[in-house]
Amino acid sequence: GQNIDQPTEMTATEGAIVQINCTYQTSGFNGLFWYQQHAGEAPTFLSYNVLDGLEEKGRFSSFLSRSKGYSYLLLKELQMKDSASYLCAAMDSNYQLIWGAGTKLIIKP
Amino acid sequence: GAVVSQHPSWVICKSGTSVKIECRSLDFQATTMFWYRQFPKQSLMLMATSNEGSKATYEQGVEKDKFLINHASLTLSTLTVTSAHPEDSSFYICSVRVGRTYEQYFGPGTRLTVT
Repeated sequence: GQNIDQPTEMTATEGAIVQINCTYQTSGFNGLFWYQQHAGEAPTFLSYNVLDGLEEKGRFSSFLSRSKGYSYLLLKELQMKDSASYLCAAMDSNYQLIWGAGTKLIIKP
Repeated sequence: GAVVSQHPSWVICKSGTSVKIECRSLDFQATTMFWYRQFPKQSLMLMATSNEGSKATYEQGVEKDKFLINHASLTLSTLTVTSAHPEDSSFYICSVRVGRTYEQYFGPGTRLTVT
């Protein structure tokens, strides 16, 4: 079956760095997405990886290893506004997104 | 990206009534839109894929006669929750799929409360 695993909750300190991991199993693979979702709001697109390696975008970076079925989202210089849920989603061979349950990130001052 | 709007942003209705939610793609012609439902502290659950000019494709377990989807134009898809019940109370979100990488851009969501 198709499955996405990511931690339920993580806590980090303002100004620090946090890495949110995601492992996936899909029928075929057409890329890995990360979305940010603040409480009560819709998700917003953060990143897309389809090739192995690290994609950097400002304070956020996303990494993919296709052979390991593994991705991570790296958040640097954490700010209080980064407190949100982070959703990992893998696209299967039919271009359907398989969603993880999300990782709730709590930032402490 | 794409800018997506939803209307209404929240709605309260009585059990047994029907509610229509609109999803508009403001700057992109969307042949495909998606409808999701999200219960508190849970992840997104895809309900259906809305295709312009044709019937929607529903996910397993989603009643097509209860959740009516109409995608009449490239910029508008509607979801009608018919004979709503309290268990239909949820956060309904639509999205459009754009670009070669098929990333999805979401509307702001509609919070439905059925009393």
